[in-house]
Amino acid sequence: GDSVTQMEGPVTLSEEAFLTINCTYTATGYPSLFWYVQYPGEGLQLLLKATKADDKGSNKGFEATYRKETTSFHLEKGSVQVSDSAVYFCALPSGAGSYQLTFGKGTKLSVIP
Amino acid sequence: EAEVAQSPRYKITEKSQAVAFWCDPISGHATLYWYRQILGQGPELLVQFQDESVVDDSQLPKDRFSAERLKGVDSTLKIQPAELGDSAMYLCASSTTGGTSTDTQYFGPGTRLTVL
Repeated sequence: GDSVTQMEGPVTLSEEAFLTINCTYTATGYPSLFWYVQYPGEGLQLLLKATKADDKGSNKGFEATYRKETTSFHLEKGSVQVSDSAVYFCALPSGAGSYQLTFGKGTKLSVIP
Repeated sequence: EAEVAQSPRYKITEKSQAVAFWCDPISGHATLYWYRQILGQGPELLVQFQDESVVDDSQLPKDRFSAERLKGVDSTLKIQPAELGDSAMYLCASSTTGGTSTDTQYFGPGTRLTVL
């Protein structure tokens, strides 16, 4: 079945460092791909998405490019801030007709001043 | 900006008791999802509604869990009796149609359940 594999955390970075969180997927066809962010004690917020191959999603300085050749959707940010500390989830819709989201296990990011 | 509402935010109960969670999706969203998120993991779908009909409840433990969306708007998820292993975050999400893979799901703040 469809699945998502994320790099394991936790990840600790200094403020202004470069961030990469790897995400690869296994799916039938070319589904949309999503990154969600979860701040402590809160629900999930959509960070960005891409709906087809070679699309680049971007939001709040974060970017991810849909690479069908490598089945990847890595999340990047050039300069992280303390406020970016959160758990990041890669996800894809799966299930014919239902399109429930299948999530990775999440990567916890801590940014220190 | 419209949001998905959930209540309560936190619930502590003893095992064998009944608990209920409520969700009000974004107005006009036909599809509603309930996910369970165990600490340190990604959410997993429990049940999906399209309007008032269940689309997928294959992962819902039906011996103790029930869900309804009677008028196709808000929804209630119930657990009876609660077990220790039910301690988790219960997330509600909604989307406009749910019928395509490009639909974005919008999540509420969740209900954190602790079963003692």
